[in-house]
Amino acid sequence: DQQVKQNSPSLSVQEGRISILNCDYTNSMFDYFLWYKKYPAEGPTFLISISSIKDKNEDGRFTVFLNKSAKHLSLHIVPSQPGDSAVYFCAASEDSARQLTFGSGTQLTVLP
Amino acid sequence: KAGVTQTPRYLIKTRGQQVTLSCSPISGHRSVSWYQQTPGQGLQFLFEYFSETQRNKGNFPGRFSGRQFSNSRSEMNVSTLELGDSALYLCASSSRISNTGELFFGEGSRLTVL
Repeated sequence: DQQVKQNSPSLSVQEGRISILNCDYTNSMFDYFLWYKKYPAEGPTFLISISSIKDKNEDGRFTVFLNKSAKHLSLHIVPSQPGDSAVYFCAASEDSARQLTFGSGTQLTVLP
Repeated sequence: KAGVTQTPRYLIKTRGQQVTLSCSPISGHRSVSWYQQTPGQGLQFLFEYFSETQRNKGNFPGRFSGRQFSNSRSEMNVSTLELGDSALYLCASSSRISNTGELFFGEGSRLTVL
């Protein structure tokens, strides 16, 4: 039973345009959501997070939106750059625990 | 500030053997978590240690175990290896001061079981 789902295994976007990565979850006890980026042969690196008490968090080119009623979150990258090409993982935690439940990831390719 | 260090980076074992992986967290971080990444299952939580005590455990068989030392370094062990244990094993550390759940990952240990 996948509690965190990323239904798009891959996404291609032109450089300078917006990239939108989506994530759905089923566990209503999740109260913290994070996005990680992973390059090949490296560990995941933290990108941005959002608490369940908020519906939007912004950090530079990256914005995460949370829709609790739909149990859906999305990551917007504007403008997209070729260096953003990586696998993006959505993750969630319950009671701010260190146990993260990850989605299966979305491979983002930003075309120059 | 040095990041999370995992050793070895690559190793090959045969079925039935056992393996020990090591993780040194970021200096000052006392929480260490382990995750298994496979193509089919994605990233799955194994266990978390804090102050030498296991705090959380994922849904893995008892062949998977770990421990944490007084200097916060951690090891995980997999006994009686199976082909399905082939995976990237990722260690992550956190300070546990922040309640954001943010983890800092190492580059992983890639285990191949033949």
